[in-house]
Amino acid sequence: DAKTTQPTSMDCAEGRAANLPCNHSTISGNEYVYWYRQIHSQGPQYIIHGLKNNETNEMASLIITEDRKSSTLILPHATLRDTAVYYCIPGDYKLSFGAGTTVTVRA
Amino acid sequence: NAGVTQTPKFQVLKTGQSMTLQCAQDMNHEYMSWYRQDPGMGLRLIHYSVGAGITDQGEVPNGYNVSRSTTEDFPLRLLSAAPSQTSVYFCASKTKAGGGYEQYFGPGTRLTVT
Repeated sequence: DAKTTQPTSMDCAEGRAANLPCNHSTISGNEYVYWYRQIHSQGPQYIIHGLKNNETNEMASLIITEDRKSSTLILPHATLRDTAVYYCIPGDYKLSFGAGTTVTVRA
Repeated sequence: NAGVTQTPKFQVLKTGQSMTLQCAQDMNHEYMSWYRQDPGMGLRLIHYSVGAGITDQGEVPNGYNVSRSTTEDFPLRLLSAAPSQTSVYFCASKTKAGGGYEQYFGPGTRLTVT
């Protein structure tokens, strides 16, 4: 399984874009990059995933570098409800969740 | 759709007791899995199933059994509870989407073993 490196925590101002980096330099060619988040003690929530192209959905955008060794999740207009732990997970069938990034959105 | 449901929400067990955590999904997903999350940690995969009648071990399977007799249900059995199994347990189901998968999680069962 590919190893990931994410910041332990980051703050973001409400209404501003939040850019969450993830390093996954050992990702293999057929592994997707998945992003999930976990709000307080709830079950994790799927956000987005991609293989090598940038992806966008109603929640976020995912930018993957050309060499696929890193990616950035972008929350375009962060709200207080986006405060959560964000997990970057390279994988395919079985996913392994690390410690993630604790994102705090401040008013 | 109820999505992924788990029962009970909370449970306290004494060391050595056994119990079954229930998980059900109504989305007709073939793939289901169980995770545990210890305080301040990420999720670790216990067991998973790729379809009815097929199960396999994840990272931390010791002390747990699973079975998958139907597509909808995937119960997790604790054989002889130990304090080290105090954790929050999440069940999830997964479906193919956009070349990869989207995984949906239940609300969790908070288990304390004394």
